[in-house]
Amino acid sequence: AQSVAQPEDQVNVAEGNPLTVKCTYSVSGNPYLFWYVQYPNRGLQFLLKYITGDNLVKGSYGFEAEFNKSQTSFHLKKPSALVSDSALYFCAVRELDGSGNTGKLIFGQGTTLQVKP
Amino acid sequence: DTGVSQNPRHKITKRGQNVTFRCDPISEHNRLYWYRQTLGQGPEFLTYFQNEAQLEKSRLLSDRFSAERPKGSFSTLEIQRTEQGDSAMYLCASSSGELFFGEGSRLTVL
Repeated sequence: AQSVAQPEDQVNVAEGNPLTVKCTYSVSGNPYLFWYVQYPNRGLQFLLKYITGDNLVKGSYGFEAEFNKSQTSFHLKKPSALVSDSALYFCAVRELDGSGNTGKLIFGQGTTLQVKP
Repeated sequence: DTGVSQNPRHKITKRGQNVTFRCDPISEHNRLYWYRQTLGQGPEFLTYFQNEAQLEKSRLLSDRFSAERPKGSFSTLEIQRTEQGDSAMYLCASSSGELFFGEGSRLTVL
C-alpha cells in the first residue's frame, strides 16, 4: 500500500532563510507525489506535483520540491521564507491499485511551518 | 467563482441529529471525492464518484454516512444520528487530474 510520512510536526524558520519541509514515501512502482498547503479554517491548495521527468519540480508561490528516488523522499523547499508562508503543509501520494488509477490521494499527517519575522 | 463550493461552511448540531453537506465541483470535472479531517491530522479518504457512480467507500464511512451524486454534478454527504466523534472538517474535492479542494464544511456535534 502506498503511504507518505512527514517526520516533523513543526518547522520553524526565520523570514528570509531557506526552508525545507520533509516527506518520505513508500510505494510499489513509480510514485505520483504532491504537496498541498492549508491555511487556518480553509481547504487545501495545490502547490506542486511530481509525475515523471526532472527531479526538481517548481510550483506555486516560489516553492519547489526535489524528488529523490534512492532516498524515497520528496522534500518541499523554498529559498527565502516569508511570514505569509506560515501554514500547514501536506505531502500526498496518488493511490494506484489493481483497478488502475483511482486518482485518490493519501495524505501525510502534515507539518506546521512557522516563519518568524 | 469557478472553484469547488461547499456549504454550509459551519454546522453545529446536537448529538443524534442528521446533517447534510453539499459540494458543487468544478463543472467539467467528472471525479468527486469526500475526505474527513480532524484536528492535527491529514485528510482521510471517505468516498469518491466517477460521474454519478460511487466507485469506492472507505471503512471510515459507517452505515450512518451516505453520499450521493445523482446527476453527476453536485454531491451530498449525509450523516444520520450524529455522534460527537463525527466532529471534523469534511472536505470535498473534484478532479480531472489534480484534486482541487473546496473550503470545507466544519461539523461540531455537541
